[in-house]
Amino acid sequence: NAGVMQNPRHLVRRRGQEARLRCSPMKGHSHVYWYRQLPEEGLKFMVYLQKENIIDESGMPKERFSAEFPKEGPSILRIQQVVRGDSAAYFCASSNGETQYFGPGTRLLVL
Amino acid sequence: GDSVTQMEGPVTLSEEAFLTINCTYTATGYPSLFWYVQYPGEGLQLLLKATKADDKGSNKGFEATYRKETTSFHLEKGSVQVSDSAVYFCALLQMEYGNKLVFGAGTILRVKS
Repeated sequence: NAGVMQNPRHLVRRRGQEARLRCSPMKGHSHVYWYRQLPEEGLKFMVYLQKENIIDESGMPKERFSAEFPKEGPSILRIQQVVRGDSAAYFCASSNGETQYFGPGTRLLVL
Repeated sequence: GDSVTQMEGPVTLSEEAFLTINCTYTATGYPSLFWYVQYPGEGLQLLLKATKADDKGSNKGFEATYRKETTSFHLEKGSVQVSDSAVYFCALLQMEYGNKLVFGAGTILRVKS
């Protein structure tokens, strides 16, 4: 039973470029969450999605960040015009109830 | 708002020592509580959980008891191994506002042989 899959595992972008992070939930899971971990800090909630719906985006920065979970395919976290402060590890989790299972993360480095 | 406070690390222990990592929380209601472990360069793995007061979660020799009266969920292990070296995160599930996890800052554990 495959776990939560994220790709790429590492992503390097120059300031001003776009970053696209992908997350495939565990089989049978319909809830996806994105969290960000800044260096030396804990994880902070960004957004909670179900298929084709954003349920809670209270942790998303107001500009440049967007997320989707289409009917078919993985969930995408998109960061436009990246800045150095976006450098972090981005983790996706999925659930079908209360317990969230995490993927290995995408480590974004903005040069 | 809801929050989780963990003891600061790093915690450095010798192999076979007793481990305690303190975790307290502030929340409305009675959230479910979790411990996750993160090994270097990896994602978070669920270690154990408890869903109501006085529940004890346990896994791989680790234990934590949900204490409503002290709003605590301390992680313990009787005899640590070098392979337990990792970062440990305490978290609560905030269901009232969208089913999200609120994490503590994490505690680094280093076990020496």
